[in-house]
Amino acid sequence: EIVLAQSPGTLSLSPGERATLSCRASQSITSTYLAWYQQKVGQAPRLLIYGASKRATGIPDRFTGSGSGTDFTLTISRLDPEDFAVYYCQQYGSSLWTFGQGTKVEIK
Amino acid sequence: EVQLLESGGGFVQPGGSLRLSCSASRSTSGRHAMAWVRQAPGKGLEWVSTIDYNGGRTYYAESVKGRFTITRDDAKNTLYLQLNSLRAEDTAVYYCAQVSWPTHFDFWGQGTHVAVSS
Repeated sequence: EIVLAQSPGTLSLSPGERATLSCRASQSITSTYLAWYQQKVGQAPRLLIYGASKRATGIPDRFTGSGSGTDFTLTISRLDPEDFAVYYCQQYGSSLWTFGQGTKVEIK
Repeated sequence: EVQLLESGGGFVQPGGSLRLSCSASRSTSGRHAMAWVRQAPGKGLEWVSTIDYNGGRTYYAESVKGRFTITRDDAKNTLYLQLNSLRAEDTAVYYCAQVSWPTHFDFWGQGTHVAVSS
């Protein structure tokens, strides 16, 4: 089973700053099979990025996904107040779906 | 876009059973695979189970294999999760989600709470 490790656990930033979130897989994965989600307090997760770099419908272009192999990154170019949330990466492989443990982006 | 609404959660003692339902706002023909994902209090997301577009194949996390059963009734536009032999560690919010096969979950319900305690 592929394990996803997200870092950092918590990112403390101010609105307008750039956020860089990392997701590292325990073995190489196909970029097609890597997605990112945003979850706000008390809400369901929302798909942000799929195929490592494709934005889901309605997702602002300040969200960018990149990476390949074992290292993937979600970048938020300029944090909007509504972007403070928890972010999860997720992968599919061998009929299993796994999530990283999440990165919390909090207001500094 | 599809709207998903879960129901059936509640409080149950260890060893008990529950059946969760997820109703879709539109016909599932043009069918999609569907999944259940759970989130224990204060914890991250954990995939639980997936069923393919016609119910022919099902997939389970090791933590629930043999105890949980996923099914679908496309005539009712409804997904189910039967939870048996429940344990305290099954306490979580259970979300249903549409699978963009096979890679990711593109639409999510709001979740239903399951609490297992004596």
